[in-house]
Amino acid sequence: RKEVEQDPGPFNVPEGATVAFNCTYSNSASQSFFWYRQDCRKEPKLLMSVYSSGNEDGRFTAQLNRASQYISLLIRDSKLSDSATYLCVAQKAGSYQLTFGKGTKLSVIP
Amino acid sequence: DAGVIQSPRHEVTEMGQEVTLRCKPISGHNSLFWYRQTMMRGLELLIYFNNNVPIDDSGMPEDRFSAKMPNASFSTLKIQPSEPRDSAVYFCASSRTSGTYEQFFGPGTRLTVL
Repeated sequence: RKEVEQDPGPFNVPEGATVAFNCTYSNSASQSFFWYRQDCRKEPKLLMSVYSSGNEDGRFTAQLNRASQYISLLIRDSKLSDSATYLCVAQKAGSYQLTFGKGTKLSVIP
Repeated sequence: DAGVIQSPRHEVTEMGQEVTLRCKPISGHNSLFWYRQTMMRGLELLIYFNNNVPIDDSGMPEDRFSAKMPNASFSTLKIQPSEPRDSAVYFCASSRTSGTYEQFFGPGTRLTVL
């Protein structure tokens, strides 16, 4: 079983829609979590960190459920520019290493 | 500020040839990571360095792969001999080791081994 698992998608949604991505992690030693965004044929870039209390950054909301080992990302009012692959990432306490999920592809359609 | 710099951006080579990928991390970052990305396996960590010292190379697929970091501003990933299954995008990333651990990725090297 992979350490970080995501639904690969693709998710095809119309502009303005709300879309949610889920991710599960298997290593209970994972301490920190992130969402990275990767555009087609580009490098991954940090979108946001995920905190236990949940956090919001504009149209993006991230949630963490440690008991269920589950992370989510909610995108409200989708824009065409949100089209990308979203990578769920886990980091063990005391380690600099990141473990990436394979990503969920989102296409926002006009 | 310059980001992580990688060269070459594209490499096409024949099976059996030696391939050397290069990376210059962001100045002041003391951790450096080499990743490989394929459709089948996603983004996999190959090796990472902290203060120029290899810390974990358990992701290096086999002895054909080697990585060095002779100084804080330069690292190489070498494949010798290359095989078609090595075809992938190879990313280098760097981060600080205090405060935020955000990793900044270079643009990647797209390697095709024929």
